[in-house]
Amino acid sequence: AQKVTQAQTEISVVEKEDVTLDCVYETRDTTYYLFWYKQPPSGELVFLIRRNSFDEQNEISGRYSWNFQKSTSSFNFTITASQVVDSAVYFCALSNANAGGTSYGKLTFGQGTILTVHP
Amino acid sequence: DAGITQSPRHKVTETGTPVTLRCHQTENHRYMYWYRQDPGHGLRLIHYSYGVKDTDKGEVSDGYSVSRSKTEDFLLTLESATSSQTSVYFCAISPTGIYGYTFGSGTRLTVV
Repeated sequence: AQKVTQAQTEISVVEKEDVTLDCVYETRDTTYYLFWYKQPPSGELVFLIRRNSFDEQNEISGRYSWNFQKSTSSFNFTITASQVVDSAVYFCALSNANAGGTSYGKLTFGQGTILTVHP
Repeated sequence: DAGITQSPRHKVTETGTPVTLRCHQTENHRYMYWYRQDPGHGLRLIHYSYGVKDTDKGEVSDGYSVSRSKTEDFLLTLESATSSQTSVYFCAISPTGIYGYTFGSGTRLTVV
């Protein structure tokens, strides 16, 4: 069975601080995808990044960066110089890549981390 | 536009009544999913579909049924609503069943 754990339930920071959101996953599959989604107060789910299990390169997109380490089954997300607009719930998710098999790309989500950035 | 719409957006219903939520897509994607979101649990899969008339259960399927009679519509039915089914329900679609997920805006359901 797949499992995603986001141990940080809530994080509170002051604007311009850096913040890292942790994500640890469990899967028996060798091929899988990892995702991060943002859910702002308006409620919609906003896709941030996808990473497949064969690509361990870190990724940077503006103030966002992701660190994927298969050795520790972690896919952590860092926001540099946080802003009030970053306040949201952030979800890490996992799907396996065997679309032709029996799993059909079901996403397994972590519990979510509530990030509050204070001015 | 969005490619995926959920209806209704909000609903209040009484315990014991049947409720149907609708997910409609214009993307012709093969895969469709229903999730529920509850505090402390993230999103959990209720049911999913991998084609017309092809559906299967997710991890929290008890008390729910689904139907997909055409590609664009995936219906979620609460056969007899209970207070424990008060939640926010999200529909998602995917062309590949691997990535490329698009989520609907959600339906907030309250069972009183």
